[in-house]
Amino acid sequence: DTEVTQTPKHLVMGMTNKKSLKCEQHMGHRAMYWYKQKAKKPPELMFVYSYEKLSINESVPSRFSPECPNSSLLNLHLHALQPEDSALYLCASSSPLTDTQYFGPGTRLTVL
Amino acid sequence: DQQVKQNSPSLSVQEGRISILNCDYTNSMFDYFLWYKKYPAEGPTFLISISSIKDKNEDGRFTVFLNKSAKHLSLHIVPSQPGDSAVYFCAARNGGTSGTYKYIFGTGTRLKVLA
Repeated sequence: DTEVTQTPKHLVMGMTNKKSLKCEQHMGHRAMYWYKQKAKKPPELMFVYSYEKLSINESVPSRFSPECPNSSLLNLHLHALQPEDSALYLCASSSPLTDTQYFGPGTRLTVL
Repeated sequence: DQQVKQNSPSLSVQEGRISILNCDYTNSMFDYFLWYKKYPAEGPTFLISISSIKDKNEDGRFTVFLNKSAKHLSLHIVPSQPGDSAVYFCAARNGGTSGTYKYIFGTGTRLKVLA
């Protein structure tokens, strides 16, 4: 099983809203990632968690706040977003045993 | 500064023929390379990977070649099928320890396999 799940699939929010994106994997992977992808662009790394600790933050604005409550879950809390933050948000996980990163289906976020 | 480049934004191939997708990189510290296939509004699906200590890896219809001296890798799909039509991304991983890896993605090549 190489499944990473993400909820919700679609999200529309206003600039004053607070919302959260969720990601889950049950492959025993200990590294989890958030990416942002705009149309016709490659995925861009936002955050990396290793063993539930934040190991990489790619200078992401503080309106994006990641959280890793346990080894299977990864959240991305959103607050006071801008319309330019509208994108596909992808979660991924990887295992040091396989070196391969597996992606979830993404959450399509629209900020009005 | 784009460290991973896919210079062909699109490619059309006849069904049954070979598809060759190319990827160039600039950072010699990259130690692992992956190819992903992506449909619109979906997450990338892992296809095949290669470690920097190898020059070829094969999995069914997919073969990846790595030329470290040229900092170039390619994905061969043979025979190509209409279901292969998608955007293909190459990705490169920097060296480091688990949890500090960064995966850098190329800009993608849209493959269209014509029936």
